[in-house]
Amino acid sequence: GAGVSQSPRYKVAKRGQDVALRCDPISGHVSLFWYQQALGQGPEFLTYFQNEAQLDKSGLPSDRFFAERPEGSVSTLKIQRTQQEDSAVYLCASSLSLDRNYGYTFGSGTRLTVV
Amino acid sequence: KQEVTQIPAALSVPEGENLVLNCSFTDSAIYNLQWFRQDPGKGLTSLLLIQSSQREQTSGRLNASLDKSSGRSTLYIAASQPGDSATYLCAAYTNNLFFGTGTRLTVIP
Repeated sequence: GAGVSQSPRYKVAKRGQDVALRCDPISGHVSLFWYQQALGQGPEFLTYFQNEAQLDKSGLPSDRFFAERPEGSVSTLKIQRTQQEDSAVYLCASSLSLDRNYGYTFGSGTRLTVV
Repeated sequence: KQEVTQIPAALSVPEGENLVLNCSFTDSAIYNLQWFRQDPGKGLTSLLLIQSSQREQTSGRLNASLDKSSGRSTLYIAASQPGDSATYLCAAYTNNLFFGTGTRLTVIP
C-alpha cells in the first residue's frame, strides 16, 4: 500500500476486555515496530519485528501485551485484560530495510481508551 | 538508555518569523536522527532524516542540523506559516528509535 495503515482508528474498551490492534505496513517493508504514546508524551518503543521474527520485545509493559506478525506482513498487537493505564495511542511504523540508514514511516495510530 | 530532550516544550510565534527547535540526546553513538511532525490526533509525518555521517539536511523551508559530538540537533523553520502549527518530535536511532517529548509550535496569523 501507499502508507502504513492501522485499524481501528479509535477503540473504546471496558476495563478487563481484550483488544486487538492491526497494522498493515508498506508492502515489502522488512522491519515493523510498535510504539505506545501516552497523552503529552513522545512515543515509547514496545516491540520490533524483522519479517516474521520478533527480535525485540523489551518495551512491552507487561505479559498482558502480545504482538505477532505470522507471515511477515500484517501485524497484530493484542492487549489482554485491559486496564486504564493502557489508554494511549498505539503507533505502528515500518522500514524498508534492515539497514539502519533508512527512516521509519508511521501510521496514523489507534487511540485506545479504557473505561 | 538513550535520553532525548526537546526545548522548548511549547513555542508561539507570529507568522513570518524564523524559528529554531532544539533537540539533545545523551548517547552520541547514533545511526541517524529523524525529525517528525505530529498534528493533533494524528500519526507522525517524517520531515527530515539525517544520517550520522551528515551535518545537515534541507527540505523546502526546513533545515535540520546534527552535531553528534555534542549530542545536539536543531530544526530551523524559515518564514513560518499558520499551517506549520503542530508538535515537532525528534528521534535518535541507536539500537532503537528514541523520541523526545516534542515541541508544540503555534504560528499566529
